[in-house]
Amino acid sequence: QKEVEQDPGPLSVPEGAIVSLNCTYSNSAFQYFMWYRQYSRKGPELLMYTYSSGNKEDGRFTAQVDKSSKYISLFIRDSQPSDSATYLCAFNTNAGKSTFGDGTTLTVKP
Amino acid sequence: DVKVTQSSRYLVKRTGEKVFLECVQDMDHENMFWYRQDPGLGLRLIYFSYDVKMKEKGDIPEGYSVSREKKERFSLILESASTNQTSMYLCASNLQGASTDTQYFGPGTRLTVL
Repeated sequence: QKEVEQDPGPLSVPEGAIVSLNCTYSNSAFQYFMWYRQYSRKGPELLMYTYSSGNKEDGRFTAQVDKSSKYISLFIRDSQPSDSATYLCAFNTNAGKSTFGDGTTLTVKP
Repeated sequence: DVKVTQSSRYLVKRTGEKVFLECVQDMDHENMFWYRQDPGLGLRLIYFSYDVKMKEKGDIPEGYSVSREKKERFSLILESASTNQTSMYLCASNLQGASTDTQYFGPGTRLTVL
């Protein structure tokens, strides 16, 4: 069984929709939870990170962590065509190495 | 602004060739990483280095080696390229001891082995 399972997608939504991206994990040693965004033909870049259960907001983006269920989500409000990208969840242990999900490709149509 | 650069964006090589992929970062980061990214398999760690001349195997090191002679440069070597090494290769770096620190990625090298 993989340590990280990410909803595979692809996902296609109309502009303005609320988007939910989800990952589950099995490794209890994961302490830090991150979302990366990867545009086509580019490397991933960090979008958000958190280390505690609950919600963290940054503009139109909300990262949600539920440690008891080993489940994390990224919500995008008022989605824009510029949000079209592949989103990767990532998890760190205290050792600093990251384990990535497979990615969900999102297309926001104008 | 952190910059991670990779020597080539696209590379085409023949089976059996020795291939060098180079990565350079300009932020004095101790840690450097090499991943490959394949559809349906996500990002998989090949090797990482936490200091000059230090290296550790990641999840899929077979068929690869690495070299870190200078802090800013981390090279991935395919000793004898095979078609199953056709992939997107991503280099990343971050600060040592920073579990929460983001990894900064380069733009990737798309390698095709014929």
